[in-house]
Amino acid sequence: AQKITQTQPGMFVQEKEAVTLDCTYDTSDPSYGLFWYKQPSSGEMIFLIYQGSYDQQNATEGRYSLNFQKARKSANLVISASQLGDSAMYFCAMSPTGGGADGLTFGKGTHLIIQP
Amino acid sequence: GAVVSQHPSRVICKSGTSVKIECRSLDFQATTMFWYRQFPKQSLMLMATSNEGSKATYEQGVEKDKFLINHASLTLSTLTVTSAHPEDSSFYICSARVGSGSLAFFGQGTRLTVV
Repeated sequence: AQKITQTQPGMFVQEKEAVTLDCTYDTSDPSYGLFWYKQPSSGEMIFLIYQGSYDQQNATEGRYSLNFQKARKSANLVISASQLGDSAMYFCAMSPTGGGADGLTFGKGTHLIIQP
Repeated sequence: GAVVSQHPSRVICKSGTSVKIECRSLDFQATTMFWYRQFPKQSLMLMATSNEGSKATYEQGVEKDKFLINHASLTLSTLTVTSAHPEDSSFYICSARVGSGSLAFFGQGTRLTVV
């Protein structure tokens, strides 16, 4: 079984500051993938970034980077230079890798609010 | 990224009726799609895995006779909520994984309200 823990129910951050959203996970699978999604109030799930458990380097996508520490089982999302439009729910998720036949297990999410 | 389209985005139905939700992959073929449910202020919970040409696989605690899933083609999966009750009111969202499975894209979601 897989488990995702997000310990920050809500965060307030000043615009233009960097923000780190915490995510720890637990799994017995030898190979797995970690995902981050943004969910604005409209409800859509916007894919942000992916990290494979065997990837040597931390994933980056524009202002998003994933701080992957395998030994600590953590996969924190870092958003640089936050913007007002970053205000949303953020979900960390994971899945076993191997062809995409498995659904994702989600954490409870972090509600991020960017203040001007 | 790949596009997954879900319809309708909102639906209100009377208790006891059935509602069908469609999930389409627009620019890729999806042999497997996933259906999730999200209650207000909660996380997404996987309901079932939809397999093209075969029966869906349901997660523990999900009633397969209430939530009928059909995946008749490589680009379309449907979820039918049968004999809907107010407690079925929720946000339903579908997903498909692309390529080697490292990417998972979601539809826009369907907000179901049963009155």
